[in-house]
Amino acid sequence: LAKTTQPISMDSYEGQEVNITCSHNNIATNDYITWYQQFPSQGPRFIIQGYKTKVTNEVASLFIPADRKSSTLSLPRVSLSDTAVYYCLVVNGSNTGKLIFGQGTTLQVKP
Amino acid sequence: SAVISQKPSRDICQRGTSLTIQCQVDSQVTMMFWYRQQPGQSLTLIATANQGSEATYESGFVIDKFPISRPNLTFSTLTVSNMSPEDSSIYLCSVPGTGGGYTFGSGTRLTVV
Repeated sequence: LAKTTQPISMDSYEGQEVNITCSHNNIATNDYITWYQQFPSQGPRFIIQGYKTKVTNEVASLFIPADRKSSTLSLPRVSLSDTAVYYCLVVNGSNTGKLIFGQGTTLQVKP
Repeated sequence: SAVISQKPSRDICQRGTSLTIQCQVDSQVTMMFWYRQQPGQSLTLIATANQGSEATYESGFVIDKFPISRPNLTFSTLTVSNMSPEDSSIYLCSVPGTGGGYTFGSGTRLTVV
């Protein structure tokens, strides 16, 4: 499975848009990208997934360029409650359930 | 998505003892997974719990240390055996989500003293 690299930490302020970029240079043709959010003392929560171009849901947007070697999670107008660790994962399309978590990005939203 | 109930939510155990963690899902699922999250670290997959057959363990994890049961499609247990302080972690179960991705339980925070 492709290894992912993302910033260890990011700071933002309430109301701002936050973009977290993840690199996955060795992504395979049948891999897709997925993002999870984890609050302290909770299990990770699925946010969004995509294969290419742009995906949007009620929580976030995911931008994937044509070469798919990176992806950007965009959180619009963050609030204090968005303070969490965000994980970028590359998942094999055979959907074996084997998730490889990297170190994640700790997002701190300030008032 | 499926709702997962994981018990206990936390425990403090003596070294050398064993703890069994339960994971109950509100719907039938083919695949269930067990993860470990050591303090300040990311999640690591321990094993896939297969209904009707032995669990499939990842490299670095063995059945004698982490025996798993999967008696039906809604329930699984993970036992942490002969515990040492190094086993102090959060243990989480996970199942495929219906809306994409995977759903995780809230975890069991284990402290071994």
